[in-house]
Amino acid sequence: EVQLVESGGGLVKPGGSLRLSCAASGFTFSVYSMNWVRQAPGKGLEWVSSLSSSGSSRYDADSVKGRFTVSRENAKNSLYLQMNSLRAEDTAVYYCVRGNGFPRGYFDLWGRGILVTVSS
Amino acid sequence: DIQMTQSPSTLSASVGDRVTITCRASQSIGDWLAWYQHKPGKAPILLIFKASNLKSGVSSRFSGSGSGTEFTFTISSLQADDFATYYCQQYHTYWTFGQGTKVEI
Repeated sequence: EVQLVESGGGLVKPGGSLRLSCAASGFTFSVYSMNWVRQAPGKGLEWVSSLSSSGSSRYDADSVKGRFTVSRENAKNSLYLQMNSLRAEDTAVYYCVRGNGFPRGYFDLWGRGILVTVSS
Repeated sequence: DIQMTQSPSTLSASVGDRVTITCRASQSIGDWLAWYQHKPGKAPILLIFKASNLKSGVSSRFSGSGSGTEFTFTISSLQADDFATYYCQQYHTYWTFGQGTKVEI
């Protein structure tokens, strides 16, 4: 089955760190760009970070630049999001998303999301 | 940054209605626009890409049109399963979503 499954979410204190993982299956992971998108409680979708298929090109939203780092291990069909210096406004459901095209690519496969809560 | 403005933010409709959502870009994005459906607790689903291209397997009651800065998304005959929130997204320069349109009864 073609799917993306996120893990690693949870409760973290402001200023803390968390690493999200995304396991891909059912497709050739290494040929697709990958992305993270989030949705804060009661809000809409917000693009977070994008990574090319090889991992050589990366783009980050201004809201996370310098704090979040997206990476991938193609041999393990896995995408990661290292989140540092977390703030309350980072509280959201984080989605792992497959891209179709890079950098001009739409998002054609989404995971079900994982909740990250930043609170003391 | 490219801003995407969707309207309306909420839409009340009934089964069988024709529903139209508008998305406006702050600058020209050609046809680099996608539409997604999102239901609570579920993964968002791609419906349309390149402004008017229906994703394989998606019902033909969904359609999209437009180019440049003005785009339209239409559900020709609303079904019970279509009650959800719909988002437009530009992918011309980075990625930006509209604020969403909740389609409710």
